[in-house]
Amino acid sequence: SAVISQKPSRDICQRGTSLTIQCQVDSQVTMMFWYRQQPGQSLTLIATANQGSEATYESGFVIDKFPISRPNLTFSTLTVSNMSPEDSSIYLCSVKRQGGIYEQYFGPGTRLTVT
Amino acid sequence: ILNVEQSPQSLHVQEGDSTNFTCSFPSSNFYALHWYRWETAKSPEALFVMTLNGDEKKKGRISATLNTKEGYSYLYIKGSQPEDSATYLCAPYMSPMNNNAGNMLTFGGGTRLMVKP
Repeated sequence: SAVISQKPSRDICQRGTSLTIQCQVDSQVTMMFWYRQQPGQSLTLIATANQGSEATYESGFVIDKFPISRPNLTFSTLTVSNMSPEDSSIYLCSVKRQGGIYEQYFGPGTRLTVT
Repeated sequence: ILNVEQSPQSLHVQEGDSTNFTCSFPSSNFYALHWYRWETAKSPEALFVMTLNGDEKKKGRISATLNTKEGYSYLYIKGSQPEDSATYLCAPYMSPMNNNAGNMLTFGGGTRLMVKP
């Protein structure tokens, strides 16, 4: 398994501001992902965080809105930029030790409310 | 985009009741199915990873079956307890050959279970 921590655990932010969410893993992992769950919706993949290179974004998500960094194999950040109320969601960091069918582990999430 | 459906969306049962819910997914290019349990304010917890048609997995009072030919999985909870209250998520993992969906889990909307003491 993997122990994943996220900061902050929750925040209330003003429209137009930005928030950076940190994800720390207790050991090196190959793959790191960022998901969000909007109220009443499924968990949706935002992007795969690639170490040392630009993140790979899913359809509907762009780097200008959700810049991601991954400086090493245990840490990543997701920034939610120029926030609007529609960005109110739970944001989760997730890791996988290797590709394929293996288990994927999740952090406890960051609950974001934008007013 | 994969169509993954879970039913029911929510379920209220009494302590001691047994219950089950369904996950349906496209049967083509299937590779594996993940089940997760997600309690409020906690991390989603991996329950099972299932790959073979007819597979059955068990963890305590929770078990799951898989039918890859028709594209569904059932999750069963025997003798529900209040601590089983959580959202149960399924997520198929499709063949890596399918570049549109091979590198990620696609989650269903979840079944929210509430067990009353």
